[in-house]
Amino acid sequence: DGGITQSPKYLFRKEGQNVTLSCEQNLNHDAMYWYRQDPGQGLRLIYYSQIVNDFQKGDIAEGYSVSREKKESFPLTVTSAQKNPTAFYLCASRRIAGGPADTQYFGPGTRLTVL
Amino acid sequence: KNQVEQSPQSLIILEGKNCTLQCNYTVSPFSNLRWYKQDTGRGPVSLTIMTFSENTKSNGRYTATLDADTKQSSLHITASQLSDSASYICVVSSILTGGGNKLTFGTGTQLKVEL
Repeated sequence: DGGITQSPKYLFRKEGQNVTLSCEQNLNHDAMYWYRQDPGQGLRLIYYSQIVNDFQKGDIAEGYSVSREKKESFPLTVTSAQKNPTAFYLCASRRIAGGPADTQYFGPGTRLTVL
Repeated sequence: KNQVEQSPQSLIILEGKNCTLQCNYTVSPFSNLRWYKQDTGRGPVSLTIMTFSENTKSNGRYTATLDADTKQSSLHITASQLSDSASYICVVSSILTGGGNKLTFGTGTQLKVEL
């Protein structure tokens, strides 16, 4: 998992509640990413950030929000507006200086279940 | 539309046997192709990366091939071990106009190695 931590590993939420998933990296990577993984589907990009205090929407940003106040931290908030939030959430980071060939390193993931 | 298709969807083999996983893509413009291994409930870990000019890359018992003309890649696993049981994900990177890159993920091949 290479220096990326996600917490908690399992998270249960009642409908209508917002929850925040933590992602921290000590790799000094510039870019950080949030993905969602559902059974039978490829990973889908939610949000990404290439620099502190700046982030961009991915393919499925609706119902999610992020912040990037520190280089090492990129928390994801799943809001009550997200209609189907139950999924496995993966955070990733990579060094930008090496260009597109630089590997994205993934965290261990957080499994969110809405009750 | 950029797509990455993997086959088979799932595969069961006996320990010690070899296997080959397939990846076909329609991603343009192509930057690189990676194979990731994802253990159940964990984040993906990079196995190999190949750029346009490379047609084979090895990492221990894993050998990836790339045919950029036919837009096909394969991952060959030799002398399989129980620890090879995982999902193997093909990921293709394309370069975005204005810089940056976008990853398109396949849905993965679920491999189970049995005694």
